[in-house]
Amino acid sequence: GAVVSQHPSRVICKSGTSVKIECRSLDFQATTMFWYRQFPKQSLMLMATSNEGSKATYEQGVEKDKFLINHASLTLSTLTVTSAHPEDSSFYICSARSTSGGGDTQYFGPGTRLTVL
Amino acid sequence: ILNVEQSPQSLHVQEGDSTNFTCSFPSSNFYALHWYRWETAKSPEALFVMTLNGDEKKKGRISATLNTKEGYSYLYIKGSQPEDSATYLCAFMQGSSNTGKLIFGQGTTLQVKP
Repeated sequence: GAVVSQHPSRVICKSGTSVKIECRSLDFQATTMFWYRQFPKQSLMLMATSNEGSKATYEQGVEKDKFLINHASLTLSTLTVTSAHPEDSSFYICSARSTSGGGDTQYFGPGTRLTVL
Repeated sequence: ILNVEQSPQSLHVQEGDSTNFTCSFPSSNFYALHWYRWETAKSPEALFVMTLNGDEKKKGRISATLNTKEGYSYLYIKGSQPEDSATYLCAFMQGSSNTGKLIFGQGTTLQVKP
């Protein structure tokens, strides 16, 4: 089946530093990947759509200069949280879209728990 | 604002019980409804992608139905087992432009006691 990895699984950083999270589709190519954020006891909230070879599309209220997305290849998208602050502490999870075989499914990574001190 | 609601929020059942949960979504401009199973510390696992009104899909002991006119989907688990313990998420995909964007419900957390 389709596998998506995410790295790191957990990161603790100091306020003001930047953190990069990688999302890789291991056995399929994905022109589109998505980044979500989950606050405690809430649903997965879409942050942005990452498009290979073009700029990401951000959802309303998500600061593009704060959350930098790069989708440089068909198997890798990165999310960089710049100048992280405690309020950025959250669970971040990515998905890669597969439309092979006439289907349309998103396959998820295991997520990254970010704690900003 | 598009709203996807799941109920109940959590559920505790005994091994062998059958159970079902509900996902409510906007009935207008429907494209697809996804169900995922999410175990702790693992990736959400895609269960079903449903697109047609009246769709009924099955995977082992798990099945799902879809009513796009009234905006709901049911997920059924027959003869629950402890390994079915997980959070079940539904996600709504809207529109004809097919951006692929999913709007998630909060999930139903199922605990199956041996």
